[in-house]
Amino acid sequence: ELKVEQNPLFLSMQEGKNYTIYCNYSTTSDRLYWYRQDPGKSLESLFVLLSNGAVKQEGRLMASLDTKARLSTLHITAAVHDLSATYFCAVEGSGGSNYKLTFGKGTLLTVNP
Amino acid sequence: NAGVTQTPKFQVLKTGQSMTLQCAQDMNHEYMSWYRQDPGMGLRLIHYSVGAGITDQGEVPNGYNVSRSTTEDFPLRLLSAAPSQTSVYFCASSYGGITDTQYFGPGTRLTVL
Repeated sequence: ELKVEQNPLFLSMQEGKNYTIYCNYSTTSDRLYWYRQDPGKSLESLFVLLSNGAVKQEGRLMASLDTKARLSTLHITAAVHDLSATYFCAVEGSGGSNYKLTFGKGTLLTVNP
Repeated sequence: NAGVTQTPKFQVLKTGQSMTLQCAQDMNHEYMSWYRQDPGMGLRLIHYSVGAGITDQGEVPNGYNVSRSTTEDFPLRLLSAAPSQTSVYFCASSYGGITDTQYFGPGTRLTVL
């Protein structure tokens, strides 16, 4: 059974600082997503990572994937208040009944002035 | 395009009542899923569909039924509501496969008393 762990679960940052959210998963996977959820809202897709060494960047967010280590990171550069949200990683399970997405528990990011 | 729409936005039920959560998408996506979101639990897959007439169980299917008579609609039925089904429910659709990028609806917040 695929398990997905995110850490930290809660992150309070100051504006202008850098930080990284980690997503570890337990079995081989070829596809990993990052989603953002604003309070009381739905989820929107940020990145899809499809291969080992993949790196995607948009604005102050950069995501990477290391399939050998079964690890993805979401790096936040020079945080601003607008980045306050909950961030989820989701991993594609492989094969048979496992072929579906498993979500991490989410990281609640609060960026303080 | 409206994307993925869900009704109602909020619902309060008494234990034992039944109801149907509606979900529709206008993107002509073959793949649709229902998730529930509980505090600290991330999103968990309830049921999914890979096309009209084809549905399957996800991680937490007990107490829920689904059907898919058209490409556009994917209703979720609660047969006999229980307090443990208090949650936020998200419907999602995807284009290239059940694990492709999920386009989420706005969610339904359900409380079972």
